[in-house]
Amino acid sequence: AQRVTQPEKLLSVFKGAPVELKCNYSYSGSPELFWYVQYSRQRLQLLLRHISRESIKGFTADLNKGETSFHLKKPFAQEEDSAMYYCALSGSRLTFGEGTQLTVNP
Amino acid sequence: EAGVAQSPRYKIIEKRQSVAFWCNPISGHATLYWYQQILGQGPKLLIQFQNNGVVDDSQLPKDRFSAERLKGVDSTLKIQPAKLEDSAVYLCASSGLGEGFDEQYFGPGTRLTVT
Repeated sequence: AQRVTQPEKLLSVFKGAPVELKCNYSYSGSPELFWYVQYSRQRLQLLLRHISRESIKGFTADLNKGETSFHLKKPFAQEEDSAMYYCALSGSRLTFGEGTQLTVNP
Repeated sequence: EAGVAQSPRYKIIEKRQSVAFWCNPISGHATLYWYQQILGQGPKLLIQFQNNGVVDDSQLPKDRFSAERLKGVDSTLKIQPAKLEDSAVYLCASSGLGEGFDEQYFGPGTRLTVT
């Protein structure tokens, strides 16, 4: 079975502070992991995938197979980063975590 | 390009009634997905179509939910009869047949309230 856990439902930081959204997964095979984001009143959209190893909007995420984690990080949070963030794993199907609501305060 | 379209955007029904949702994927996308997102949870895949064939419906409650994708384009998802626990946002997504990674593009969702 595949499972994604996001331990924090809510995360609040101040503008300019570093932010880390945690994601842990369980999967018996070789996982492909993603972060999706949903801004207020917008559609769910892909933010980044681990294979691409890109930095999108200043966010990065590294797959740690030893710790089965795929945490999302940004060194300096911006107010426009406030959104709902979902970690997802693609095994037999795309499985989402429960999401973390990030609020960046001015 | 135009995004995934869904209708209606909102629906309120009483338990034991029936309801149907419609999805029009991005033009040319062969794969279509229906997700159920209950409040406070992430989206859960209900069914996946490749053209007009079902790839995965293992998480679809088949006693009350049905879906079809006639002609491999538009799709409808039906609930009959609805239960209180079906209250959720129903998301449709589509992806293409490109080589390598196929990003899923999501529609705006249909928010269903069962009273």
